[in-house]
Amino acid sequence: NAGVTQTPKFQVLKTGQSMTLQCAQDMNHNSMYWYRQDPGMGLRLIYYSASEGTTDKGEVPNGYNVSRLNKREFSLRLESAAPSQTSVYFCASSEAGAFTEAFFGQGTRLTVV
Amino acid sequence: AQRVTQPEKLLSVFKGAPVELKCNYSYSGSPELFWYVQYSRQRLQLLLRHISRESIKGFTADLNKGETSFHLKKPFAQEEDSAMYYCALTGGNEKLTFGTGTRLTIIP
Repeated sequence: NAGVTQTPKFQVLKTGQSMTLQCAQDMNHNSMYWYRQDPGMGLRLIYYSASEGTTDKGEVPNGYNVSRLNKREFSLRLESAAPSQTSVYFCASSEAGAFTEAFFGQGTRLTVV
Repeated sequence: AQRVTQPEKLLSVFKGAPVELKCNYSYSGSPELFWYVQYSRQRLQLLLRHISRESIKGFTADLNKGETSFHLKKPFAQEEDSAMYYCALTGGNEKLTFGTGTRLTIIP
């Protein structure tokens, strides 16, 4: 049982380059999330998707776009990477409802130079 | 808006001593509170949730609506408790909001 799988695990980009972070879950969860983790800032929500076909902005959406391709997959795209987007990115999923546990991927460490 | 505050970025405690990690929240409705933990080189995972009223690995947390707090406590710290701890909140919109985290170090 893979749970939540993110690819890639590591990436180095040059300023201005674009890339897509992939996330897939095999738990049939409705809700999916993208967070970034920065020292001293904790986890900040970038975007989330409460169900297939819907997406909503989180706390720090600027510079990012998302696609909820189907129930399993939720991708995060950086159109023009900036050094401020250097971070560790986490994808998570949960069943619908406020009381449910979120399951996290292993993270993607992104460096923008 | 929903907000979670963890005032301590770092906390060091001697093995065997009590541990308390503070968490305060701001939410206009009835929130659901969680504690998540990230051990070294492991994924972020759920430690406990308010609604379950359970004790996990000796940790407990009580929701105090009057003080809008959800502090995490353990009477006797163990070395394996060293980790990053995050308090989190969901409301009616199911958006999961995290605090800034507390790095707990247990001193042998």
